[in-house]
Amino acid sequence: QSVVTQPPSASGTPGQRVTISCSGSSSNIGNNYVFWYQQLPGTAPKLLIYRNNQRPSGVPDRFSGSKSGTSASLAISGLRSEDEADYYCAAWDNSLSGQVFGGGTKLTVV
Amino acid sequence: QVQLQESGPGLVKPSQTLSLTCTVSGGSISSGDYYWSWIRQSPGKGLEWIGFIYYSGSTYYNPSLKSRLTISVDTSKNQFSLKLSSVTAADTAIYYCARYPYGSGSYSGAFDIWGQGTMVTVSS
Repeated sequence: QSVVTQPPSASGTPGQRVTISCSGSSSNIGNNYVFWYQQLPGTAPKLLIYRNNQRPSGVPDRFSGSKSGTSASLAISGLRSEDEADYYCAAWDNSLSGQVFGGGTKLTVV
Repeated sequence: QVQLQESGPGLVKPSQTLSLTCTVSGGSISSGDYYWSWIRQSPGKGLEWIGFIYYSGSTYYNPSLKSRLTISVDTSKNQFSLKLSSVTAADTAIYYCARYPYGSGSYSGAFDIWGQGTMVTVSS
C-alpha cells in the first residue's frame, strides 16, 4: 500500500481532456514538490512534469501539472493514442526520508 | 549525453544476494550535482524507490529494504552498485538505475535520466 494514492485506471477518447489525481499527506505532497513520470509499454519511465507544474524540454504542452494542499493532478489535453501509458506521481517523504511513488494510473485511449 | 546501463545476473536463488551494477557514460559520477539511484518494478506493479548514493558514499535507503541493502559507488569506474541480501520471490522485479539531481538545479528532486532496466528473477 503506497503512501501516495492514484486511481488504478483512467480512460478517454482522442481529443478529450483527462486528469489523473495523486493524493498524499503533509509528509510528502503537502510540503514537497510533485513529479510525474510516463511509462510507455515495455520502456523505462520518463520524467514528464517536475516541480509540480514544469515541463522538461520536449514534453508537449498538452501535459500539465498542478498541486493544491496534499493533492496533485496531471492533466492531458487533446488526448492522443500515443498517450496510452502508465503514469506515476512521486514526491519526497519527510517521514521516510526517501522518495515515494504513487501506485500508478494506467491510461487507456479508447 | 549521459546514459545509464544496468548489468548483472538475471537469475538469483532464494536466500542469496542480488548484485547489480550501473555504469554511467557521457558524464562523471563524481559530479557534485547528483545522487545516483536504484528503483525497481515488480511484474505488473508500480515503482518502488530502493535508495541512492552520492559520489562521496553518502546513502539514503528505503526503510523497508534497509536491513538487506547496500549501495556503493566506484568513482574510478564511473559505476555504482546494489547488493540486496536474503532475497525471496518478492524481490523479483525490473531494476532501474537513475540519476537524481540534487540542490537548486531545475530538475532537483526528479529522476531525470533512467537506464533501460534489467529483469531479475528470484527462483531456485
